[in-house]
Amino acid sequence: DTGVSQDPRHKITKRGQNVTFRCDPISEHNRLYWYRQTLGQGPEFLTYFQNEAQLEKSRLLSDRFSAERPKGSFSTLEIQRTEQGDSAMYLCASSLGGIQETQYFGPGTRLLVL
Amino acid sequence: GENVEQHPSTLSVQEGDSAVIKCTYSDSASNYFPWYKQELGKGPQLIIDIRSNVGEKKDQRIAVTLNKTAKHFSLHITETQPEDSAVYFCAASQSYGNNRLAFGKGNQVVVIP
Repeated sequence: DTGVSQDPRHKITKRGQNVTFRCDPISEHNRLYWYRQTLGQGPEFLTYFQNEAQLEKSRLLSDRFSAERPKGSFSTLEIQRTEQGDSAMYLCASSLGGIQETQYFGPGTRLLVL
Repeated sequence: GENVEQHPSTLSVQEGDSAVIKCTYSDSASNYFPWYKQELGKGPQLIIDIRSNVGEKKDQRIAVTLNKTAKHFSLHITETQPEDSAVYFCAASQSYGNNRLAFGKGNQVVVIP
């Protein structure tokens, strides 16, 4: 499968714990996006990378959230000191970038904070 | 920022009939409009997209129309089938810059056999 992959698919954690999610984009896609989706809502933009550079962060991304894309390939999203309000689906998408703006989404990581 | 709204929130159709979902957007600078289908427990899947330099695009049973003046675009599904049942999201972005997608809240489409 050459699509976007995410790991893990599901994560249950206790409030206050740290969690880390991984996203592997489609090979040769320069841009990588993170979105968050809560029940009954559309995805909301969190942040994006052009190669290894993180170029924009949403105000939704509090200081407990950090994302990296160290070699311009896979990306990780870490949430520190999780809160119940962090429970959501975290989606990753990738695109070629430039005028090729079509974004392809992964299956998501469903986070439940107890 | 961009604000995208979808109507109706839920749509039930008989198998074989057509379904139409409408979206409006607020930012006249938006020029790229994709539609995604999301099934339960899965990520959004791109089904069709349109750029602002065209008014309509078709792909088999699916079509999208765009009215830039009125700032709305619509998804048309003809000859609906049970497997078309899903949540459909419209989105808008500017293809220069960060291309961040602004999504609507989604439409639940139910195709009744």
